Amino acid sequence: QKEVEQDPGPLSVPEGAIVSLNCTYSNSAFQYFMWYRQYSRKGPELLMYTYSSGNKEDGRFTAQVDKSSKYISLFIRDSQPSDSATYLCAMSARSYSSASKIIFGSGTRLSIRP
Amino acid sequence: ETGVTQTPRHLVMGMTNKKSLKCEQHLGHNAMYWYKQSAKKPLELMFVYNFKEQTENNSVPSRFSPECPNSSHLFLHLHTLQPEDSALYLCASSQSRVTRLAGAKENEQFFGPGTRLTVL
Repeated sequence: QKEVEQDPGPLSVPEGAIVSLNCTYSNSAFQYFMWYRQYSRKGPELLMYTYSSGNKEDGRFTAQVDKSSKYISLFIRDSQPSDSATYLCAMSARSYSSASKIIFGSGTRLSIRP
Repeated sequence: ETGVTQTPRHLVMGMTNKKSLKCEQHLGHNAMYWYKQSAKKPLELMFVYNFKEQTENNSVPSRFSPECPNSSHLFLHLHTLQPEDSALYLCASSQSRVTRLAGAKENEQFFGPGTRLTVL
């Protein structure tokens, strides 16, 4: 079983729709949960991060973490064509001193149709 | 230059060639990473350097040889690669902490644009 599972898509929705992206994981030690966005021919960039369970909202983006179900989600409201990208979920356990070791999902390719 | 830069952006090499990928970060970070990104597969962590010391080698074949001469530069030396090594190679950096538990922000890794490698 992979540590992190993510539906690769592709997912295509019309402009203005609400988008839901999800990941499941198996390692209960994960405490930090992140979503990275990767545009074509670019490296991933951190979009949102949350610690432990709960919701976090930033503009049109909401990240949810349900540790009891080992399930995380990213919601995009009022989706725009500029949101078209690959979205990677990522997570890591708490660590002392050392550089972070992040486990990534395979990414979901999202396309917003004008 | 700002952020994390990688050169070359594209590389085509034969299986007997020797080449090197270069990464430079201008963020004052002290941790650097090499990742391999293949189509429809998760980013695979290859190597981690923390304060110029290698702290992680994720069972990477010896045909990949990293080098970190200082905390701003990271190289990946390539020799006798296989066609299945064709992928996007991403470099990242982050600010690791030594005095307390790493928090969420310390998990933020900044990525370069990657080198698209094709092995013929």
